[in-house]
Amino acid sequence: GENVEQHPSTLSVQEGDSAVIKCTYSDSASNYFPWYKQELGKRPQLIIDIRSNVGEKKDQRIAVTLNKTAKHFSLHITETQPEDSAVYFCAASKRWSSASKIIFGSGTRLSIRP
Amino acid sequence: GAVVSQHPSWVICKSGTSVKIECRSLDFQATTMFWYRQFPKQSLMLMATSNEGSKATYEQGVEKDKFLINHASLTLSTLTVTSAHPEDSSFYICSAREGLAGGRDTQYFGPGTRLTVL
Repeated sequence: GENVEQHPSTLSVQEGDSAVIKCTYSDSASNYFPWYKQELGKRPQLIIDIRSNVGEKKDQRIAVTLNKTAKHFSLHITETQPEDSAVYFCAASKRWSSASKIIFGSGTRLSIRP
Repeated sequence: GAVVSQHPSWVICKSGTSVKIECRSLDFQATTMFWYRQFPKQSLMLMATSNEGSKATYEQGVEKDKFLINHASLTLSTLTVTSAHPEDSSFYICSAREGLAGGRDTQYFGPGTRLTVL
């Protein structure tokens, strides 16, 4: 089955600096890669996603890149703000398939230093 | 947007008792629902996938006789933790998917249920 690895497990950056979180996946059939932000005790919130036919996607301060050949994808947050502090999860799934269950990475705890 | 609710939001029970958690899709019909478990400071681990009207498919290592899943209608799935023990204490989160066609395969997450077994 699919296995998603995520690094780093913790990340601390100065407010205003950029943060990068990296993930790899194992199943070459995966075609959909969402990123979630989870605050303590709450449900994961989808913040951005990318499909396998796209190499990069941007939404304001957040961008995601995908390298299908290497099976790598990354989340980039620019101009970080205190409210960006949370746990971020990458994930992979086979969208448009009856097997489209979402498999999560291990998570990155992001802390923004004032 | 699509809304998924869970009930209860938290529950405390004694060891050996059973606990039922409900997951409801409020404004759409969910052909598939997923159940996840999240231990403190860990990731969401998929426990099982349930399709309306059929038996759930459990992930490797998840005891189907301990975690009973019923998806009897298109808006409701239940997870029953039978003979709960302290090690079952966790945050249980469901997600629901409307279908595969027409762009309705997005999964929407419920708010989670925190189970504490004494």
